Amino acid sequence: VQLVESGGGLVQPGGSLRLSCAASGFTFSDHYMDWVRQAPGKGLEWVSVIYSGGSTYYADSVKGRFAISRDNSKNTLNLQMNSLRVEDTAVYYCAREAMDGSYDYWGQGTLVTVSS
Amino acid sequence: QSVLTQPPSVSGAPGQRVTISCTGSSSNIGAGYDVHWYQQLPGTAPKLLIHAYSNRPSGVPDRFSGSKSGTSASLAITGLQAEDEAIYYCQSYDSSLNASVVFGGGTRLTVL
Repeated sequence: VQLVESGGGLVQPGGSLRLSCAASGFTFSDHYMDWVRQAPGKGLEWVSVIYSGGSTYYADSVKGRFAISRDNSKNTLNLQMNSLRVEDTAVYYCAREAMDGSYDYWGQGTLVTVSS
Repeated sequence: QSVLTQPPSVSGAPGQRVTISCTGSSSNIGAGYDVHWYQQLPGTAPKLLIHAYSNRPSGVPDRFSGSKSGTSASLAITGLQAEDEAIYYCQSYDSSLNASVVFGGGTRLTVL
């Protein structure tokens, strides 16, 4: 199992960024997939989940600004981030959700920095 | 302020036993939602250590164990080793937050 994030970088407040996570080594379409973030020196914060059927849920802190999506034909998870704020600065991890709700595999993370 | 409360730090000498608590409430751990534990070594992604309170994924030493009591969960590490020095996080769900995922604030383990 491998999860590889990409798309992070420096963006100004109010800007947009699209993160991707390439999955391999398992049947991607069978699994719920999540984004979890970690601000510098801080703890883990759940961001969003997309079910295998396509239902999506978001943390209140990103609702209305972020959009999670998946392309099962390309084994790819995406996170479209709009109206970015300084407080969105973090390492963003994609994670595979196991049947009991634990995250059994994580990507290496991609850093998003929101700053002017 | 995290929904799940963990001590900021714990420490122990090599070979000793330490426990890390994760205190929740009736809307998360007390409601019966599973608790999972992760280990994060410096500069790396979190790694699943214990899932569904007390189950170890393949490859995790049996020095690590988990338990639950009421609205709290605990992670125990026996036979402490220098390589156990890391930050440990608990995770569950909370029904008062639209059934969203919640993490503890993390506990830094120092091996003296």
